[in-house]
Amino acid sequence: GAGVSQTPSNKVTEKGKYVELRCDPISGHTALYWYRQSLGQGPEFLIYFQGTGAADDSGLPNDRFFAVRPEGSVSTLKIQRTERGDSAVYLCASSSGRTGGLDEQYFGPGTRLTVT
Amino acid sequence: AQSVSQHNHHVILSEAASLELGCNYSYGGTVNLFWYVQYPGQHLQLLLKYFSGDPLVKGIKGFEAEFIKSKFSFNLRKPSVQWSDTAEYFCAVNGGYGGSQGNLIFGKGTKLSVKP
Repeated sequence: GAGVSQTPSNKVTEKGKYVELRCDPISGHTALYWYRQSLGQGPEFLIYFQGTGAADDSGLPNDRFFAVRPEGSVSTLKIQRTERGDSAVYLCASSSGRTGGLDEQYFGPGTRLTVT
Repeated sequence: AQSVSQHNHHVILSEAASLELGCNYSYGGTVNLFWYVQYPGQHLQLLLKYFSGDPLVKGIKGFEAEFIKSKFSFNLRKPSVQWSDTAEYFCAVNGGYGGSQGNLIFGKGTKLSVKP
């Protein structure tokens, strides 16, 4: 079956602009996660959804970052007033959610965001 | 807060050499441990995981890892590497004191280069 997909694969934007990154999880997966991976680092957690609600948003770095999952499937990560430090690969993962977030997470290919 | 340390940034081996990549986490309690692999140009994918039971876990492609609770370690091993094992390897944890019950906390990764 189809895996996790993310669009766009690459996004270049100017400092100060607004961007949206989209994630389509594996069909039927109730848990969805966003991570950010900077060069030379491991993925860093941003936010975790169980269904439509954010179960844990403690990783969002500041209020310029926001994510939604209105119908419990597709999720959009929104970044306002982008800064050069936001440049990274943004990864989305999904899992079945059967064990409350402790099950295997399947990762998408990521969106590489470059802020100029 | 929970954190993960991977001791080697870059490991270079010849084919047929044995591999051991170190991973330590910072807080005890009930943890779930994972090794993910990212082959060049591909997504992160799960190599193996430990939730409970036998501390020696076997994963795909001949990899195994041993959970040693007293040492807060989960080292990855393979007796004989192949050129196709060239990839970046990430150790991750959830749970434990100061940890999460959903999102994964990753180490910085170890890049493995296998010379043919």
